[in-house]
Amino acid sequence: EIVLTQSPGTLSLSPGERATLSCRASQSVSSTYLAWYQQKPGQAPRLLIYDASTRATGIPDRFSGSGSGTDFTLTISRLEPEDFAVYYCLQYGSSPPGYAFGQGTKLEIK
Amino acid sequence: EVQLLGSGGGLVQPGGSLKLSCAASGFTFSNYGMSWVRQAPGKGLEWVSSISGTGGTTYYADSVKGRFTISRDNSKNTLYLQMNILRAEDTAIYYCAKRKAMAGSWAFDIWGQGTVVTVSS
Repeated sequence: EIVLTQSPGTLSLSPGERATLSCRASQSVSSTYLAWYQQKPGQAPRLLIYDASTRATGIPDRFSGSGSGTDFTLTISRLEPEDFAVYYCLQYGSSPPGYAFGQGTKLEIK
Repeated sequence: EVQLLGSGGGLVQPGGSLKLSCAASGFTFSNYGMSWVRQAPGKGLEWVSSISGTGGTTYYADSVKGRFTISRDNSKNTLYLQMNILRAEDTAIYYCAKRKAMAGSWAFDIWGQGTVVTVSS
């Protein structure tokens, strides 16, 4: 069973700054199986990045994903006020089959 | 427009049962795997269960295995989650979610609005 660990737990930054969020898997993960989500209070999660580095439809290009193996990163190049939210990574595993979420990173305004 | 509309949540006593539904529209429902994801109050996201497009393959998180059953009726474009022997720790918002691709990407691209389940005496 793969466990995903996100860091930091909370990230305090100002609009215009660059945000780097980490997701580490307990064992190697195929890039096809890794996604990132944004969740704002009272809303369902929104898909940002799938297959580790492909932006979902309608997602601004300030969001980018990278990584392979056990280490994956979500980068927001220049923070906009609407980007302050909680971010989760999601991984699909085939043995045993199922999904796992990271515990989340809260991105807050400094 | 691709849409998922969850329903069936409510207040239930510990040990009780509840059946959630998720009505899909705007896509060919039978072509896509579907899943349930939950979020306890103030907590993170937890995957609950998934089912293939045909309904022939299902899998569950250990926390619900043996108590919850996922199913689908492709003729009605509807996903279900039958929840039995409910516990206080099952209290959460339950989201239904669509797999992004018929093959390849395993991400969830479309989510329902969530339905609230409260287990309390």
